[in-house]
Amino acid sequence: GENVEQHPSTLSVQEGDSAVIKCTYSDSASNYFPWYKQELGKRPQLIIDIRSNVGEKKDQRIAVTLNKTAKHFSLHITETQPEDSAVYFCAASKGTNAGKSTFGDGTTLTVKP
Amino acid sequence: SAVISQKPSRDICQRGTSLTIQCQVDSQVTMMFWYRQQPGQSLTLIATANQGSEATYESGFVIDKFPISRPNLTFSTLTVSNMSPEDSSIYLCSVSGGQPTNTEAFFGQGTRLTVV
Repeated sequence: GENVEQHPSTLSVQEGDSAVIKCTYSDSASNYFPWYKQELGKRPQLIIDIRSNVGEKKDQRIAVTLNKTAKHFSLHITETQPEDSAVYFCAASKGTNAGKSTFGDGTTLTVKP
Repeated sequence: SAVISQKPSRDICQRGTSLTIQCQVDSQVTMMFWYRQQPGQSLTLIATANQGSEATYESGFVIDKFPISRPNLTFSTLTVSNMSPEDSSIYLCSVSGGQPTNTEAFFGQGTRLTVV
């Protein structure tokens, strides 16, 4: 089955700096790669996603890049703010079953004011 | 987007008992899923709840321990049976939705289960 590895497990940055979280996946059939933000005690919320036919996608301060050949994808957050502090999960899935995903272990991001 | 209501939001249960968690979606969805999130850890897929047929379980999860019902396209239940402290986790219901390709996953708020 699919295996998703995520690094780093914890990341601490100063407000205004950039943060980068990286994931690798094992199943070349995976074609949908979402990123979720989970604040303490809350449900995971989709923040950005990318399909395998796209190399990069950006939404304001958040961007995701995908390298299909190397089977890795990354989340980039620029101009970080304290409210960006949360646990971020990457995931991989196939076809239209986005609800059936394999998740990375998560990255705890702390943005220091 | 799909709105998912999950009940109960939390419970404290005695070992050896069972708890049934309900998941209600505000629209008909083809696929519903149940995840477990152990304290401080990632999400692990338990099973896919299939409407009109038996659930499809992932490796390491069995029907006797986690029976699932899916009577229609908007509702599902997950039962955690014969509970032990190791079952203490957050259980999340998820559906696939979004336009136009139905590829976004939405989560319920989760059920925080503590087994004592």
